[in-house]
Amino acid sequence: QKEVEQNSGPLSVPEGAIASLNCTYSDRGSQSFFWYRQYSGKSPELIMFIYSNGDKEDGRFTAQLNKASQYVSLLIRDSQPSDSATYLCAVNPPDYKLSFGAGTTVTVRA
Amino acid sequence: GAGVSQSPSNKVTEKGKDVELRCDPISGHTALYWYRQSLGQGLEFLIYFQGNSAPDKSGLPSDRFSAERTGGSVSTLTIQRTQQEDSAVYLCASSLVGVSPDTQYFGPGTRLTVL
Repeated sequence: QKEVEQNSGPLSVPEGAIASLNCTYSDRGSQSFFWYRQYSGKSPELIMFIYSNGDKEDGRFTAQLNKASQYVSLLIRDSQPSDSATYLCAVNPPDYKLSFGAGTTVTVRA
Repeated sequence: GAGVSQSPSNKVTEKGKDVELRCDPISGHTALYWYRQSLGQGLEFLIYFQGNSAPDKSGLPSDRFSAERTGGSVSTLTIQRTQQEDSAVYLCASSLVGVSPDTQYFGPGTRLTVL
């Protein structure tokens, strides 16, 4: 089992809709959880992090964490064409080494 | 500096040649990471530095790969006798360990093409 798994894409949503991205992780001792966005040909950039159970909102983005279920998600509200990118889930277990999922590619249709 | 920088941005080499990739982390960041990303794939961890020491080299794919960090700052990833399967984007990231959460910031990457 991979350490971090993301729902396979690609995910296509119409402009203005909500894009929902899911991520599960295997190390129950993981402490911090990150969502990175990567545009084609570019390096990953941090969107947000979460380390407490519940929701964390930042603009149109909401991260949700459920440690009991070992599940973290990212919601993108009012999706825009500029949100079209690959979204990487990353998990920080106690041994510091950040583990990345394979990514989910999102396409927002105008 | 303002962000992580890497050089060169692109490198084309012939099979069997050695290459050196450089990473300048964010000033003051004590941790430095190297990753590899093949076309359409996720990030593959290569090596981690805390200061000048590398407590985790487990991700280096073979003994042709080595890395060093000097002065707790600049790091160099060296690939000897390059092979075509080494073609990928090599990403460097840095973080300020000790601050929770340990957020990694990425450089623009070096695209390596081995002919």
